[in-house]
Amino acid sequence: GENVGLHLPTLSVQEGDNSIINCAYSNSASDYFIWYKQESGKGPQFIIDIRSNMDKRQGQRVTVLLNKTVKHLSLQIAATQPGDSAVYFCGERAAGNKLTFGGGTRVLVKP
Amino acid sequence: DAGVIQSPRHEVTEMGQEVTLRCKPISGHDYLFWYRQTMMRGLELLIYFNNNVPIDDSGMPEDRFSAKMPNASFSTLKIQPSEPRDSAVYFCASMRQANTEAFFGQGTRLTVV
Repeated sequence: GENVGLHLPTLSVQEGDNSIINCAYSNSASDYFIWYKQESGKGPQFIIDIRSNMDKRQGQRVTVLLNKTVKHLSLQIAATQPGDSAVYFCGERAAGNKLTFGGGTRVLVKP
Repeated sequence: DAGVIQSPRHEVTEMGQEVTLRCKPISGHDYLFWYRQTMMRGLELLIYFNNNVPIDDSGMPEDRFSAKMPNASFSTLKIQPSEPRDSAVYFCASMRQANTEAFFGQGTRLTVV
């Protein structure tokens, strides 16, 4: 998918630092949340997911935090690398397994 | 498995022409989603199917858009007639079952001139 020109929030981070990407979701009935990474010219790729009965889940270099009280989701990337430069989308799954996404955040890693 | 396969990768067509986008989901996946990605609206869900049956088409922008899933291994998204504002990247994604991740295809970049 081409994201050039997309007016996305942008997070600039120094290589080696940690990144935090935030997302507000809309449906309080959503019970499953997911993060995707999209590199230029490619389709979104799964990073990590979390069910609503959890508030934290860790993967390799990534952690997802869920705060259902304020309908907020975040993705933390440890020791950000140049290959982490991409657009990141949070998604929520509501009734009937309807999967919808937020607007995305562009992450730029500075060497 | 080769993943979700979309065709064509790029399509350029003239306004008023019919456009058909194709998707082959991952074998064994019960859900299929069609999304449109644009600068203005981000990644929008157009329609999704469960076991070949359309479940929610509320995201389909207007009657010019239609989608079908005649069998478990094939789906089409048709635009007739196409307009310049339909220019976007269209993604298909499939998912095995609830609470598992969806896998996206590489997308079809549509340009209507």
